[in-house]
Amino acid sequence: GAGVSQTPSNKVTEKGKYVELRCDPISGHTALYWYRQSLGQGPEFLIYFQGTGAADDSGLPNDRFFAVRPEGSVSTLKIQRTERGDSAVYLCASSRGTHLTGELFFGEGSRLTVL
Amino acid sequence: SQQGEEDPQALSIQEGENATMNCSYKTSINNLQWYRQNSGRGLVHLILIRSNEREKHSGRLRVTLDTSKKSSSLLITASRAADTASYFCATDAWGAQKLVFGQGTRLTINP
Repeated sequence: GAGVSQTPSNKVTEKGKYVELRCDPISGHTALYWYRQSLGQGPEFLIYFQGTGAADDSGLPNDRFFAVRPEGSVSTLKIQRTERGDSAVYLCASSRGTHLTGELFFGEGSRLTVL
Repeated sequence: SQQGEEDPQALSIQEGENATMNCSYKTSINNLQWYRQNSGRGLVHLILIRSNEREKHSGRLRVTLDTSKKSSSLLITASRAADTASYFCATDAWGAQKLVFGQGTRLTINP
């Protein structure tokens, strides 16, 4: 596809369960970002990949959150032992260069609801 | 913590009027970007202004940057109902490997 694709668009899970959210960036984009957004708030930075490596993971809230990008394209955000406070929209974005040189292209997000 | 803070948090104007939103930030930056988000959708990039630029235009959008005051403004001229959305500024703290967003301004254009 032409844009950033995120799946699933909606995920409802129970407290304590494991969740994986997938992001398929625009082809050729080396930079990939994960953000999460709560209702009425701005996007909160989680992690930034340049190629396969995490250039900055300082936004991951705790060790229940982990993200990978093994081949430098698709990325998966993994959340273990989900808590109700993890409920939010998880946004993925990609960029041809980096945020220092150009714009980020965002997906539509994955809405996670933890019951 | 957020790097940028938008002001006002909410703005409601009549169609045809101009809308001005402001953004303040705390540390030196390489660039400042403005994004728009329609309800329930992803963010869309509007404009990027570099730290050595003072003003930039794109269609009905005008962005200014004052690095001495660590502030930026986004002006939308001749507003339309379709401009109703949330608008966010985003900055990279100098040397940081991330783009940080503010809380946003919710703009409502009344027909």
